[in-house]
Amino acid sequence: AQKVTQAQTEISVVEKEDVTLDCVYETRDTTYYLFWYKQPPSGELVFLIRRNSFDEQNEISGRYSWNFQKSTSSFNFTITASQVVDSAVYFCALKRETSGSRLTFGEGTQLTVNP
Amino acid sequence: EAGVAQSPRYKIIEKRQSVAFWCNPISGHATLYWYQQILGQGPKLLIQFQNNGVVDDSQLPKDRFSAERLKGVDSTLKIQPAKLEDSAVYLCASSQDLGYNEQFFGPGTRLTVL
Repeated sequence: AQKVTQAQTEISVVEKEDVTLDCVYETRDTTYYLFWYKQPPSGELVFLIRRNSFDEQNEISGRYSWNFQKSTSSFNFTITASQVVDSAVYFCALKRETSGSRLTFGEGTQLTVNP
Repeated sequence: EAGVAQSPRYKIIEKRQSVAFWCNPISGHATLYWYQQILGQGPKLLIQFQNNGVVDDSQLPKDRFSAERLKGVDSTLKIQPAKLEDSAVYLCASSQDLGYNEQFFGPGTRLTVL
């Protein structure tokens, strides 16, 4: 069975602080995909990143960076110099390699960035 | 490029009533998904279509929920009869195919069952 755990239910920071959102996953598969989605107050989930299990390179995109560590089954997300517009719920998700397999989401982390 | 469209955005009904939600995916996307997101939780897949065929409906409560995608484009999700615990946001998403491609989500329909 697959499982995604986001232990941080809520995080509150002040603008310009760096913040890391944790994601720990469980799977028996050797090949799988990991995702991060952002859900702003409008409700629409916005895709941020997809990572293959065989590619452990960290990735940076502007103020966003992702740290994938297979040894600890973690795929953490860091926002550098946070901004008020980053306030949202962030979801980590896992998908098996098998065609047609479903996305398994974590419970989400509510990030609030205060001015 | 137009995104995933859903209607209505909000719906309030009494328990035991019926309700239907509509979704129009991104043009050309073969795969369509319906998710249920209960407040404070992550989305849970209800049903997944590839064109007009069902790929995965293992988590769909089939005694009260039904969904169809007759022409392989638009889709409708129905609940009959609704229960209080069906109160949630129903999200529709689409992707190009069944692979690992990203899913694009619509704005969702917020259902309140009284």
